[in-house]
Amino acid sequence: QEQLVESGGGLVKPGGSLRLSCAASGFTFSGYSMSWIRQAPGKGLEWISYINGRSTFTKQADSVKSRFTISRDNSKSSLYLQMNSLRAEDTAVYYCVRVWGDSDEGFDIWGQGTMVTVSS
Amino acid sequence: DIQMTQSPSFVSASVGDRVTITCRASQGINNWLAWYQQKPGKAPKLLIYAASSLQSGVPSRFSGSRSGTDFTLTISSLQPEDFATYYCQQANGFPYTFGGGTKVEMK
Repeated sequence: QEQLVESGGGLVKPGGSLRLSCAASGFTFSGYSMSWIRQAPGKGLEWISYINGRSTFTKQADSVKSRFTISRDNSKSSLYLQMNSLRAEDTAVYYCVRVWGDSDEGFDIWGQGTMVTVSS
Repeated sequence: DIQMTQSPSFVSASVGDRVTITCRASQGINNWLAWYQQKPGKAPKLLIYAASSLQSGVPSRFSGSRSGTDFTLTISSLQPEDFATYYCQQANGFPYTFGGGTKVEMK
């Protein structure tokens, strides 16, 4: 079945870096745009990054711009999020999500999430 | 950025009740509005897209509607598995933004 599995989360000190990965299966990965969405503990959802199927277009939220970089490797059906200069406020569960619809109508497949904790 | 104001933040309801959740966009987003359900410790699940289209596999007791910049999610007869937090999300343009969430609790 269609599935997304994130990995790479953990505890990192402020100013540190982390790279999240997301392995897709059960669908033609290259045919879909993908995003990262995060959720701080006890808080709501925040979209942070987007990449189209061919990696020709990316978009970041202002909160992570210039610090986080989204990328993908369609040959490996994998999505990545390189996170640099991490701050305490980046502490959250990070979800890899598939963008659904011809006009990005919603996010239809979600991974289980990976926890990132930024603390000294 | 488009702000999504969701209300109420909490709903106390019983099985069989009709539940209505509202989301207001700070500017026009046409029908580019999605609704999600999230249960504790789980990833959100897409319920409705394009304001009123039911995602495949979602029970028909869920419905969505739009009036201008106001959007409504209705659960016609609340079931035990529907106790969860619900989020709206605008898909009109970047940055995609979510409402603050509505927690549906058991009365």
